[in-house]
Amino acid sequence: QKEVEQNSGPLSVPEGAIASLNCTYSDRVSQSFFWYRQYSGKSPELIMSIYSNGDKEDGRFTAQLNKASQYVSLLIRDSQPSDSATYLCAVNNGNDYKLSFGAGTTVTVRA
Amino acid sequence: GAGVSQSPSNKVTEKGKDVELRCDPISGHTALYWYRQSLGQGLEFLIYFQGNSAPDKSGLPSDRFSAERTGGSVSTLTIQRTQQEDSAVYLCASSPTGSFTEAFFGQGTRLTVV
Repeated sequence: QKEVEQNSGPLSVPEGAIASLNCTYSDRVSQSFFWYRQYSGKSPELIMSIYSNGDKEDGRFTAQLNKASQYVSLLIRDSQPSDSATYLCAVNNGNDYKLSFGAGTTVTVRA
Repeated sequence: GAGVSQSPSNKVTEKGKDVELRCDPISGHTALYWYRQSLGQGLEFLIYFQGNSAPDKSGLPSDRFSAERTGGSVSTLTIQRTQQEDSAVYLCASSPTGSFTEAFFGQGTRLTVV
């Protein structure tokens, strides 16, 4: 079993809709959770971090964490074509310098 | 420079050859990381430097891989006797602290072993 699992997609949503991305992780002691966005041919960039159960909102992005279910999600509201990218879920298991990454979900926002 | 610089940006090499990948971090950043990303995969941790020392090199896939950092600055990742499964994008990042989430990435070196 992979440490971090994501649906690979592609996830296609119309402009203005909500894109919902899911991620599950296997290590119950995981402490910190992150979402990175990676445009095609570019390096990843950190867009959200979440550390405690519940929701965390930042602009059009909402991260949701449920440690009991070992589940973290990312919602993108009012999706824009510029949101078209691959979104990587990452988990920190105690070392600040090392994250475990999922393979990513590719999102395409249709204009 | 203003950002993390990696060279070369692309490298095609024949199976069995050695390659060196270079990373020039942001000036003053003490932490440096190497990750790689294979096609359709997430990032895979390779090694972490704090200054010139590597507290964790557990991610290096085999003894064909080695890395060093000199002067607390430039780092070189060396792959000996390259294999086709080494083909990937090798990403370097640097951070002013030891926290990866504060790191800035370079643009990567795309390595293709033919």
